[in-house]
Amino acid sequence: EAQVTQNPRYLITVTGKKLTVTCSQNMNHEYMSWYRQDPGLGLRQIYYSMNVEVTDKGDVPEGYKVSRKEKRNFPLILESPSPNQTSLYFCASSGGQSNEKLFFGSGTQLSVL
Amino acid sequence: QKEVEQDPGPLSVPEGAIVSLNCTYSNSAFQYFMWYRQYSRKGPELLMYTYSSGNKEDGRFTAQVDKSSKYISLFIRDSQPSDSATYLCAMSPEGTGGFKTIFGAGTRLFVKA
Repeated sequence: EAQVTQNPRYLITVTGKKLTVTCSQNMNHEYMSWYRQDPGLGLRQIYYSMNVEVTDKGDVPEGYKVSRKEKRNFPLILESPSPNQTSLYFCASSGGQSNEKLFFGSGTQLSVL
Repeated sequence: QKEVEQDPGPLSVPEGAIVSLNCTYSNSAFQYFMWYRQYSRKGPELLMYTYSSGNKEDGRFTAQVDKSSKYISLFIRDSQPSDSATYLCAMSPEGTGGFKTIFGAGTRLFVKA
């Protein structure tokens, strides 16, 4: 089954404690991206990657890091989380330049205390 | 002003009603227009996909794009309780593989049995 898998689904942490949210897709997609979803603000792009070792900032990259060492994986790293990063996070992938359809993971609800 | 404006609702209708969901946008470079459906605690899923102007129909769903007015709509006929979800409009420029997709804030729809 074609899917984007995120882990964990729920995460509660404290300010300053480094964390990683994993994302993996099994569709051999070139493009992957991270979004955060906040009430009234919709989905905002954090970072995206057009292929292995190619990443770029989205609209709200501050406080986040990403890496793309393998085509299927695109982890999101919060090196020093703060309460304003409490949000619902989604990873997404698409087939590439001529394909606009995004496949989303099930989301990670992060709470930073 | 946001690039994409969408009324967050909530919108509550009786079963069987015709539902109209709308978005306006400001960027004339958008060529791909999409509607995603998001159930509670799930990731968004692509519902309708339109290139440039015109109408597209899929079962009970019709998507309309009016580029001259920078206005897109989603109509749901014979609405069902299973249609209760948040509907996100989304749009992107030509050939960007989805990584330049801009989302509306989403409209919450409740269909009452």
